This record gives sequence, C-alpha cells and structure tokens, in this order.
Amino acid sequence: AQKITQTQPGMFVQEKEAVTLDCTYDTSDPSYGLFWYKQPSSGEMIFLIYQGSYDQQNATEGRYSLNFQKARKSANLVISASQLGDSAMYFCAMREGGGSYIPTFGRGTSLIVHP
Amino acid sequence: DAGVTQSPTHLIKTRGQQVTLRCSPKSGHDTVSWYQQALGQGPQFIFQYYEEEERQRGNFPDRFSGHQFPNYSSELNVNALLLGDSALYLCASSFALLKRDTQYFGPGTRLTVL
Repeated sequence: AQKITQTQPGMFVQEKEAVTLDCTYDTSDPSYGLFWYKQPSSGEMIFLIYQGSYDQQNATEGRYSLNFQKARKSANLVISASQLGDSAMYFCAMREGGGSYIPTFGRGTSLIVHP
Repeated sequence: DAGVTQSPTHLIKTRGQQVTLRCSPKSGHDTVSWYQQALGQGPQFIFQYYEEEERQRGNFPDRFSGHQFPNYSSELNVNALLLGDSALYLCASSFALLKRDTQYFGPGTRLTVL
C-alpha cells in the first residue's frame, strides 16, 4: 500500500499568491515524522520543513507552513506569497519510528509559479 | 560549511558495465544514505551506511553495493548495469544521534545506461 500519496501531479499559482500542496500518509506507527522537500530542475533535494507526530503545533519555516491534520492523516504544505523561484517539484516524505531511519517519498507535485 | 557533494555529475555507461559513484557528507554528519530517483518518481531508498557498515537496505538487488570510509564519505557501486538503472542517484547525509535527523541531499549523479 502507498504510504505517501500526493494526488496533484501539477499545480499552478500566480506570483505573490498562496498555494497548498496536498499530502496524505498511511501508518499504524504512533511515532513518525513528516518532511517536505523541494527539488528544482538542478536535481538537489532541499529540505523545507519537518513535523513530528507528537508535535502540538503546526510547523512553520519562513514562508512554508505545514497544515498537520493527524486524524485525517494529512500533512499539506502551504507556501505563502509565492515567488518565481518556488517553481520546482515538491516531495512529501514520512519516516516511521521503531528504529527505521529511512523516509518514504511520495511521487511529487510539480509547482509552476506564473508572473 | 560545505554541504553534501557528489561526483561525477553525469555519467554515461553501457549495459553490463560497472559504475562507482561517490559522496562526501555534510560537515559533522556521520550517516550516508543512497537513493535512486527514476524520471517522474520520488527517490527510492537503496541503503544507508553508519560506522562503515550497511545499517539498512531497501529493495534493491545485490548488484548494488556500497562502502563507507573512516572519514564518513561513501561510494555506491552498481555491477552489470541494466537499462533500467538509468536514473538520478542521490546521496543524503545526517547525524545519527539526532532523533530528528533531517537528511541533507547532494546534487545527485545522473546515470545514463545505453
């Protein structure tokens, strides 16, 4: 079964607008971490934001925030005030507890920011 | 502070050949993971090295092997290359003792098998 699902293959947003990228996950482990990475066309995966399953508040990092809805098993990334440089692939990933150190990635969402 | 570096950037090989990819972790990191990213897919975990030993392995055949050196740098070796091995190979480093060990990725090596 797919552990990470990103249902939006592509998204478009106007510069300076906010955009939400969807991510749902599947785990029975009570301890897990959720990550978002950005991958520009150059190939490098850039870490954006992390949310732990026991964290009480939604994570925020600058223009990035994670809308964590535990009961719905969703971890959507919100980018505020989009910039042209935000155009890239975005990957959601989950690492489960229990000694596993390895994140499982979704298939990604392509974001294009229009001027 | 140098980030994760990988070499070479691009590589073209033919079927049946062998290839070695190299990775130097971010300063202060002691754990190296390797991923394969096929076109249009998310990264797939190959294996992870810590203290010069393979700590975990994903669902990849034995043709994929690795090594970690005392300075924490790592190599990924792929034998008997197949066309399907064409992909972007990403190296990621982290610090094992940090529970929230966020992985930092290198720019990748793009391997083309003809």
